[in-house]
Amino acid sequence: AQTVTQSQPEMSVQEAETVTLSCTYDTSESDYYLFWYKQPPSRQMILVIRQEAYKQQNATENRFSVNFQKAAKSFSLKISDSQLGDAAMYFCAYIYNNNDMRFGAGTRLTVKP
Amino acid sequence: GAGVSQSPRYKVAKRGQDVALRCDPISGHVSLFWYQQALGQGPEFLTYFQNEAQLDKSGLPSDRFFAERPEGSVSTLKIQRTQQEDSAVYLCASSLPLVLTDTQYFGPGTRLTVL
Repeated sequence: AQTVTQSQPEMSVQEAETVTLSCTYDTSESDYYLFWYKQPPSRQMILVIRQEAYKQQNATENRFSVNFQKAAKSFSLKISDSQLGDAAMYFCAYIYNNNDMRFGAGTRLTVKP
Repeated sequence: GAGVSQSPRYKVAKRGQDVALRCDPISGHVSLFWYQQALGQGPEFLTYFQNEAQLDKSGLPSDRFFAERPEGSVSTLKIQRTQQEDSAVYLCASSLPLVLTDTQYFGPGTRLTVL
């Protein structure tokens, strides 16, 4: 079974600094997709970034980038130049070729002014 | 519409009551997903539709849970004889293509509290 683990229940970062959120997953598949979603207090999940496992290049979206280590089954999210609006729950998610997207338990990110 | 919408945003039910939760996906989106999110946890998959066909309901926790999407757009998640353990946020998501690995867009959720 595929599982997703986020080992950091809470993280804190100073505004304008950089923070990295960790995610590991367990799978026997070779071709799959990974996502980071952000869930602000308003509760609406917003896609931050996605990575296709067959791509070696790490995905980047403005201040957000990932460090995808396929062999280690690791998919961390780096947020650069953190902003107050980045404060939220962040969920790492995995999907293979089925209907079941698996989420980690989430990391609550606090941004200090 | 601009995004996935869900109604009601909040629902309080007495134990044993039936509830119906509505999801309006993004217009034209073929795939629709329901998730249950317990407090402090990540979402867990409940069921999946491709147009009006319910292709996977393996995540539904019991036969008290029922979902439909009769015309391939709006979907309703119904919970019969609600129990306290049903209290959670119910999230709906939709995606455009038939490729299941594409990005899912989430609604704001319905927070269900069963007393």
